Amino acid sequence: QVQLQESGPGLVKPSQTLSLTCTVSGGSISSGGYYWSWIRQRPGQGLEWIGYIHYSGGTSFNPALKSRVTISIDTSKKQFSLKLSSLTAADTAMYYCARYNLPGYCSGGACYNWFDPWGQGSQVTVSS
Amino acid sequence: DIQMTQSPSSLSASVGDRVTITCRASQTVSSYLNWYQQKPGEAPKALIYAASTLQSGVPSRFSGSGSGTDFTLTISSLQPEDCATYYCQQTYNIPTTFGQGTKVEI
Repeated sequence: QVQLQESGPGLVKPSQTLSLTCTVSGGSISSGGYYWSWIRQRPGQGLEWIGYIHYSGGTSFNPALKSRVTISIDTSKKQFSLKLSSLTAADTAMYYCARYNLPGYCSGGACYNWFDPWGQGSQVTVSS
Repeated sequence: DIQMTQSPSSLSASVGDRVTITCRASQTVSSYLNWYQQKPGEAPKALIYAASTLQSGVPSRFSGSGSGTDFTLTISSLQPEDCATYYCQQTYNIPTTFGQGTKVEI
């Protein structure tokens, strides 16, 4: 079964750029029906979708973060990465990578998508 | 963005109780509604998609219903392993958005 694992620094200084990598194991990162995603969970808050990338390079981002986000993919290493720039304390969060099935399960003209599986998460603190 | 509002934010119930969590969208999301379960220290796990379809392996005591703007997640007989925070998510529009979560305690 597919497993995802995040890696990256736990502490980053304000104004710097966060870099996280997600490694995919137990399956292919080049499957056409999946987008590889980043989601974060800020302390005491719900989940926030950051963006996702297809193995072909196609991307989509949350407009609230789009100006600061870069997502890239390296299919040879079975990894995809997140860069988030101009960090502030508000970016302190648990960062998850996850697989998004797109187009997903289709029935009667409707296609349903969800995130599964998720990585265990990478805690990132923005502080000087 | 579509705002997803869950209620209650937390609840305490006994083993065997029927538990209901509601999720309301700020505009219609049709049936593009998912539920996730997050246990302490773990990543979220997909429970239900298309508002009412259980993911493979999810116990039948879980069920989902609703369409449009109002949805419910029901646990018919609460078990100790169901202690977790539950999130709804809409995939009707980009950006996909989540509710703030409902913490279920025993």
